[in-house]
Amino acid sequence: ETGVTQTPRHLVMGMTNKKSLKCEQHLGHNAMYWYKQSAKKPLELMFVYSLEERVENNSVPSRFSPECPNSSHLFLHLHTLQPEDSALYLCASSQDRGWTGNTIYFGEGSWLTVV
Amino acid sequence: TQLLEQSPQFLSIQEGENLTVYCNSSSVFSSLQWYRQEPGEGPVLLVTVVTGGEVKKLKRLTFQFGDARKDSSLHITAAQPGDTGLYLCAGAGQGAQKLVFGQGTRLTINP
Repeated sequence: ETGVTQTPRHLVMGMTNKKSLKCEQHLGHNAMYWYKQSAKKPLELMFVYSLEERVENNSVPSRFSPECPNSSHLFLHLHTLQPEDSALYLCASSQDRGWTGNTIYFGEGSWLTVV
Repeated sequence: TQLLEQSPQFLSIQEGENLTVYCNSSSVFSSLQWYRQEPGEGPVLLVTVVTGGEVKKLKRLTFQFGDARKDSSLHITAAQPGDTGLYLCAGAGQGAQKLVFGQGTRLTINP
């Protein structure tokens, strides 16, 4: 239990569906992240939110839409995904943005399969 | 673009053996972290190394940061089945605003 909770843990969706992944952190952190983990590829940072403001978007296709309504919650809205988007999506949080002296806590991930 | 290469990508050994996995780059990192990710879980931070040449021990795990802060190694002594998992290294670039991950070493310890 890392203090970062993701739901659902598993999701199968068709290419025309709209779904959302949810992340909640109970650590009082100011920064939250979405990462994508695919087989044989390094973890890819998708989005960074700091104090509810999106501060980084790493060339992610618009079919992925993040939302951070408050500092404890982060969503990833999905629509018209492609099969190659199938992956483990990890949410994470840290006290502040930046890595010096910071520890990042990951959730358990949401396994997404696009059919 | 800063890249981290981990080797080997896969390693399967018997319980009780020793092993070393490597994390290499041509770039300098201000700090480097090691994570372990077990099946069905997210990565969990094991250690952060900051100073070139630094060595940190965590029970049977020994982590070393290269003198030039471009590489790191993780040595496990007397490996146990509980050490099984995906080991990820991650480096913080200059300015420490971005964390770059390696592709990981998948370790299996057989009883």
